[in-house]
Amino acid sequence: GENVEQHPSTLSVQEGDSAVIKCTYSDSASNYFPWYKQELGKRPQLIIDIRSNVGEKKDQRIAVTLNKTAKHFSLHITETQPEDSAVYFCAFHTGGFKTIFGAGTRLFVKA
Amino acid sequence: SQTIHQWPATLVQPVGSPLSLECTVEGTSNPNLYWYRQAAGRGLQLLFYSVGIGQISSEVPQNLSASRPQDRQFILSSKKLLLSDSGFYLCAWRQHGYTFGSGTRLTVV
Repeated sequence: GENVEQHPSTLSVQEGDSAVIKCTYSDSASNYFPWYKQELGKRPQLIIDIRSNVGEKKDQRIAVTLNKTAKHFSLHITETQPEDSAVYFCAFHTGGFKTIFGAGTRLFVKA
Repeated sequence: SQTIHQWPATLVQPVGSPLSLECTVEGTSNPNLYWYRQAAGRGLQLLFYSVGIGQISSEVPQNLSASRPQDRQFILSSKKLLLSDSGFYLCAWRQHGYTFGSGTRLTVV
């Protein structure tokens, strides 16, 4: 079935360091890959996305890379700050109306 | 601009009581609407989605139901709540990525 594996489940970094979260998906027909950030007690919010015709996309300190051949996509956060601490979810859209979410990565940025 | 409203924000209900959570979207027409549930510290579980009025797709057999009486209104219901229905319920609208409502934290006691 359709699924996405997300690693690591927990990530702790020092402020200023980089953080990388990786996902592997199963559906080769997927063409849209969003990332969501969820702060404690709040709703998930879309922070960046990438489409299958692009290999990399960057928005200030965050970037996403996509390798369609290997079915991998990754979130990169540089110069991490304490406010980056949250749970991050990768996802991909199936060919229909559904979205498959990863299990989430809890990121701790230590000041 | 598009906005999504969800209420109530918090709800404490006894086992066996009914439930009705409402979600409305503004600024768009014929949206694809979704209900998700999130258990404490866990991921997002898709419950229902709707691509139009009266059209409901159920993803998980459960104690819940959904209805879409109007184009921009999506309702999540239960006739009799179970303890296991506790969680954080999120309504969402999808264009490219999702825009989530602010969520309802339901505690069944």
